[in-house]
Amino acid sequence: DGGITQSPKYLFRKEGQNVTLSCEQNLNHDAMYWYRQDPGQGLRLIYYSQIVNDFQKGDIAEGYSVSREKKESFPLTVTSAQKNPTAFYLCASKGLGYNEQFFGPGTRLTVL
Amino acid sequence: AQSVTQLDSHVSVSEGTPVLLRCNYSSSYSPSLFWYVQHPNKGLQLLLKYTSAATLVKGINGFEAEFKKSETSFHLTKPSAHMSDAAEYFCVVSSDSGYSTLTFGKGTMLLVSP
Repeated sequence: DGGITQSPKYLFRKEGQNVTLSCEQNLNHDAMYWYRQDPGQGLRLIYYSQIVNDFQKGDIAEGYSVSREKKESFPLTVTSAQKNPTAFYLCASKGLGYNEQFFGPGTRLTVL
Repeated sequence: AQSVTQLDSHVSVSEGTPVLLRCNYSSSYSPSLFWYVQHPNKGLQLLLKYTSAATLVKGINGFEAEFKKSETSFHLTKPSAHMSDAAEYFCVVSSDSGYSTLTFGKGTMLLVSP
């Protein structure tokens, strides 16, 4: 089955630690996206990538970093510089010529 | 710049009654518009999309939406609510069909009572 997978589903982190969230897709999509979701806020764009080895900051990139070494993978690192990292993180992808994005199941990050 | 306003943060209906979730948008371009649904602790699923073809768009699970350019609205409707429709719904705008980003509304929580 084609789709997007995110792991882990739940993640706990101590303050001051970096943590990496995984996102993999087998849809052969060129573009991939990371969003943060907080209650009552909708989704806010963190980073996106249109092609391998290229990515752009979204609206709330501070305290986050990404890489795009393979078309299928777009990991997100939440660094210790992110002041309030507890949130639900969603990864999405989009194929060329399509408008809609397809979403993964999400990772819930909690900072203890 | 584009923006989306979902006019209700919560909507409560009884099972079997009609559903109306309201959305207004603002866009400098001819927009593409979407409705996504999210069940608790899940990803988002596409319900339907408008991409400048028919103004009345039919989606999955009996939902439909009408694009009204003069009112800059894209309201989501369903004739008869089911308990399984209880979820959060997001109205979304995209400006073109390239690699553009999406702008999300803040969401409307639909509550369905028996």
